[in-house]
Parts: sequence; C-alpha cells; structure tokens
Amino acid sequence: EIVLTQSPDTLSLSPGERVTLSCRASQIVNSNFLTWYQQKPGQAPRLLIYGASSRVTGIPDRFSGSGSATDFTLTISRLEPEDSAVYYCQQYGGSMFTFGQGTKLEIK
Amino acid sequence: QVQLVQSGAEVKKPGASMKISCKTSGYTFTTYLIHWVRQVPGQGLEWLGRINPADAITHYSHNFEGRVTMTRDTSTTTVYMQLSSLTSDDTAVYFCAREYEGTCYFDHWGQGTPVTVSS
Repeated sequence: EIVLTQSPDTLSLSPGERVTLSCRASQIVNSNFLTWYQQKPGQAPRLLIYGASSRVTGIPDRFSGSGSATDFTLTISRLEPEDSAVYYCQQYGGSMFTFGQGTKLEIK
Repeated sequence: QVQLVQSGAEVKKPGASMKISCKTSGYTFTTYLIHWVRQVPGQGLEWLGRINPADAITHYSHNFEGRVTMTRDTSTTTVYMQLSSLTSDDTAVYFCAREYEGTCYFDHWGQGTPVTVSS
C-alpha cells in the first residue's frame, strides 16, 4: 500500500500570501493518478486537481499542482479567506486508493 | 445536475451491521463507478472499495475484505454499502463518490452519512 505523507500538518497564513503544500509518497506514483481535494468543515471533499496538474473546471487559477514520482505539490498563489480548509492528496496504485493525512490551512 | 444523495445518520451496537444508500441522479448510472470513503471524526479519509453499476463487479480494500459488501439497484440508480461486525472504530462519516472509470479520481461526492457505533 502506498502511503502518502503531507506536510505541513497545519499552517496559518494571511490573505494574499502564497503557499505550497507537499505530498510525499512511499513509492513512485503514476502522475496520472495523483489528485488533490479541498474539504471544509461539515462538507464532502471537493475535487481541485487531477493528474497531478490538471485543474478542474471552475477552480480558480490560483490553484496549481505539480510534481512527479514521489513528490507532489499543491500551490495556492494568492490566498483568499475562503481557502481556509483541509487539503488532501490521493493516489491510485496497486489496486488501492490512499489519501494523505491532510494539511489544515487557516487564513488569518 | 449530478447528485449523490445518501441515507441518514445511523446508530449501531457493536457487532451489528449497517447498510447505507447512495441515490444517484443527473447522469447515466452505468457509466460511472461508485466508491465508498470514510472519515473518522477529526481524521483523514479512508477508501473502502467500489462497485461498477454496469455489471455489479466490486473491488474492496484489503482492509475491509470480508466485512464490506457493495450492491446496486439499476431500477432506482442507487448503490448500497453494507459493513458488518461493527466496532467503535467504525464510527465515522461515510461518503459515496463517483469516478469515471479509469480516471482514478472522484468528481462528485455524496453529503456523507454519519454512523455511530456505541453500546
């Protein structure tokens, strides 16, 4: 089973700042199957990025994804208050889907 | 519009089974896989398995093999997930989510069903 480790666990930033969230895999991940979600309290996760770098229609271009092999990142270029959420990476490999433990982002 | 609407909250005793539903609408039922993912309170996301509504073929996480059963009813475009031999560790919010086969990501999710296992 591929384990995804996200860092940092939590962070607090101000509106307008730029942030990069990390997702590191215990084995090589097919980039086509690396996905990012945003989850707000009391809601289901929301799809942001698939295929490591493809942004879903309707997601602001402030969100971007990159990476390959075992290291992937989600970057939010200009933070807005509504970006406060937990961000999860997810992968498919070895007939299993696994998620990272999440990064909680607070906008001050 | 695409909707996945799940059944309501449940409270179960240890050792019991639960069966929750995910009613789909707004798209062709047989063209998307349905997955089940759970979230223990305050924790991350865990994949339980998936069903192909076109042929009812399932694939379960090895962590739940033997305890989970997923079925579908094409007449009502509803998917069901049954989990047996419940313990307090199964207390979680259970989500259904849709995947266009082969994409390996979930583009629409149900609202979640809270399940509490307590004596």
